[in-house]
Amino acid sequence: GEDVEQSLFLSVREGDSSVINCTYTDSSSTYLYWYKQEPGAGLQLLTYIFSNMDMKQDQRLTVLLNKKDKHLSLRIADTQTGDSAIYFCAETRRGSQGNLIFGKGTKLSVKP
Amino acid sequence: NAGVTQTPKFQVLKTGQSMTLQCAQDMNHEYMSWYRQDPGMGLRLIHYSVGAGITDQGEVPNGYNVSRSTTEDFPLRLLSAAPSQTSVYFCASSYSGSLREKLFFGSGTQLSVL
Repeated sequence: GEDVEQSLFLSVREGDSSVINCTYTDSSSTYLYWYKQEPGAGLQLLTYIFSNMDMKQDQRLTVLLNKKDKHLSLRIADTQTGDSAIYFCAETRRGSQGNLIFGKGTKLSVKP
Repeated sequence: NAGVTQTPKFQVLKTGQSMTLQCAQDMNHEYMSWYRQDPGMGLRLIHYSVGAGITDQGEVPNGYNVSRSTTEDFPLRLLSAAPSQTSVYFCASSYSGSLREKLFFGSGTQLSVL
């Protein structure tokens, strides 16, 4: 069945790079997404990558996509305490355009 | 700049009570949806709507009803609350077509059923 897998926790020191990994199952997804949830808030779209791309860079964020292995990663350079949040990977739910399947989320803790 | 507004923010119900979680968006989005977020389970889709008058079931629809009489509003009704419905509920909306997956979320309703 469809599933999106992520590790649940990641802890880094301020200034280091963070890498959050995700594996997905549906290779027909046109886009793959990263959403961010800050404490007590709803999710917000952080970035996304078109499925025919290998990499997308957006300021401190780098998204890498390996379609062969169905592996998606989010790298945050120079991680700050304000980056502490839960990060969700998401893919398109098969046969249901616009409905996403979310991973369980990776809680990123940034230590000063 | 209201975006997606959910009310109430917190609610405590007794088993068997009914209530409606409200969701309104002011961005003229055609697509609206409800998710629940549970620890260790991520987000699961309850119901969604692709436009006024059209609703459909998601992954976990049992125990919930929705309606979409206007573009702006998409209320979620709990008919007879159960402790298993204790969760944080998020409403989300988006434009149609290729932008549908780029969701705007409300700030959530934390529901406890005793």
